[in-house]
Formats: sequence, structure tokens, C-alpha cells
Amino acid sequence: ELKVEQNPLFLSMQEGKNYTIYCNYSTTSDRLYWYRQDPGKSLESLFVLLSNGAVKQEGRLMASLDTKARLSTLHITAAVHDLSATYFCAGNAGGTSYGKLTFGQGTILTVHP
Amino acid sequence: DTGVSQNPRHKITKRGQNVTFRCDPISEHNRLYWYRQTLGQGPEFLTYFQNEAQLEKSRLLSDRFSAERPKGSFSTLEIQRTEQGDSAMYLCASSFTGSTEAFFGQGTRLTVV
Repeated sequence: ELKVEQNPLFLSMQEGKNYTIYCNYSTTSDRLYWYRQDPGKSLESLFVLLSNGAVKQEGRLMASLDTKARLSTLHITAAVHDLSATYFCAGNAGGTSYGKLTFGQGTILTVHP
Repeated sequence: DTGVSQNPRHKITKRGQNVTFRCDPISEHNRLYWYRQTLGQGPEFLTYFQNEAQLEKSRLLSDRFSAERPKGSFSTLEIQRTEQGDSAMYLCASSFTGSTEAFFGQGTRLTVV
């Protein structure tokens, strides 16, 4: 059974600083997803990583995937207040469970001046 | 709006009552998923459909829960004899078979008092 763990669970950052959120998963995952969730809102898709070594960037966020280490990272560059949200990674076991996502606990990011 | 639509957005019910939620997926998406998210946690998979067939159910889906997708379009999730532990956000997502991405609706927040 696929298990997904994120760390840290809470992250308080100053504006302008860089930081990385880590996502470890327990067994082979067909692909790795990153989502953003604002309080009381649904999930917004940020990145889908499909293969080993995949790197995707959007604005101040960059996600990468190392399937051998079963590790994905979400790197935040020069944080701004608008990035404050909860970030989830999720894996997909594939096969007959294609499309069924297993989520991490989430990382609550707060960016302050 | 052509996204995933869920109704109602909020539901407050007394313990022991039955509730039903509806999800309208993105048009022509043949896969539909239900997730449950409790406060401070990541979403947990409940069940999914391919067209009208329910292909997988989580053990989280007790006998009090039933989901249907009678014509392969919209889906309903019914909870019978609600308990306080059922209080959560219920999220619906849809995708094409073979797609790398599922799109989430805004969710239905259930409060059992």
C-alpha cells in the first residue's frame, strides 16, 4: 500500500527566503502530484511529475522527482505572502488503481514580512 | 463554468439523519472520484467510477456510505445515519481514462451536530 509523507508539516518563512518541502513515498508510484489548497477551498493542481528526473517550474515554485530515492521536492524561491497555503503531494499507485491518489499530510506554509 | 461542480457547498445535519451530495464532473470525463478530507489532513480516497461502474471502494467507505453514478455522468454520495465523525469536506474529482490529471470540485463541507 502506497504511503506518502511530507515534511515539514508546518513552515513559517520570511518573504524573500528560499525553502524546500520534501515528499517521501513508500512504494513505486506511477506519478507524483503537487497541489495547493487555500483555507476552505478545494485543491489546485500545481505540478504532475511523470518520470525520474522530472523537473517543472512555475513562477517561484519548482518541483522535482527522484524515483530511485522515492522523493519529490517542492522548492520555493524568494517567497512572497501570496504563497501562503497548504501544499500537498500525492502519489498514484498505477495499475488497476490508476487515478486513485494517496495524499501526504500537507505542509502549512505561512510567509510573513 | 465547465469545472467539476458539487452541491451543496455546505450541509449541516443532525446526527442520525441521512444526507446526499451530488457531483457533476467535467463533461465527457469518464472517471469520477470521491475523497474525504478532515481538518488538518490530506484527502483520503473513498471510491471511484469509470463510467457507471464503481471500480474500487476504500475500507473507509462503511456500510452507511453509498455512491452511485447511474448514467455515467453525475454521481451521488449518500451517508445514512450520520455520525459526528462523518463531519468533513467531501471532494469530488474527475478525469479521462489515461489522463495524468484529475480536476477537483469545490467540495461539500458536512457538519454533523
